Amino acid sequence: EAGVAQSPRYKIIEKRQSVAFWCNPISGHATLYWYQQILGQGPKLLIQFQNNGVVDDSQLPKDRFSAERLKGVDSTLKIQPAKLEDSAVYLCASSLWTVNTEAFFGQGTRLTVV
Amino acid sequence: AQTVTQSQPEMSVQEAETVTLSCTYDTSENNYYLFWYKQPPSRQMILVIRQEAYKQQNATENRFSVNFQKAAKSFSLKISDSQLGDTAMYFCAFTAYNDMRFGAGTRLTVKP
Repeated sequence: EAGVAQSPRYKIIEKRQSVAFWCNPISGHATLYWYQQILGQGPKLLIQFQNNGVVDDSQLPKDRFSAERLKGVDSTLKIQPAKLEDSAVYLCASSLWTVNTEAFFGQGTRLTVV
Repeated sequence: AQTVTQSQPEMSVQEAETVTLSCTYDTSENNYYLFWYKQPPSRQMILVIRQEAYKQQNATENRFSVNFQKAAKSFSLKISDSQLGDTAMYFCAFTAYNDMRFGAGTRLTVKP
């Protein structure tokens, strides 16, 4: 089966610019996660969707970050405007349904803000 | 709040030997799940092993096994017969309901 697809793989932008990341989860997976992984740290959950509803966005900086999951499938994560500290790898993951099932990760998008 | 701590930023092991990676966590929940994920340089996170807190038996997956000590809130990963392909970052993760929290990771290098 196809894995979690993310694009782009790499992105370099200047501070105060906008950027968007795209994620296509594994077919049939109801749960979709966006994680931020700063260099040298573990992934931090930004937002979790169950189908097209938000389950947890408590750690999403809502003044600049937004995410949506249209029709409960693909998802986009947007940063507007970007700050230097947003430089990180953004990982998308999906799981079949419940919390105890395996989360499958994409290869991530490495964002560099200069 | 749940926290996950990995106290070993880096470790190395000779090929074919055994290495143990440490993880501790803090939670007030009784039912939860613990995971070890591997992240090679390609950045893709891969599940290595999973442990349900209600199970007393330690999980094993081929060369990978865990030592789960619920009372001590400890969850270590043992890699036997280490292979060069095991070189990667290893993350311990915890989830009780929805929020999967990760530790800071341990960088493991397998030396030939």
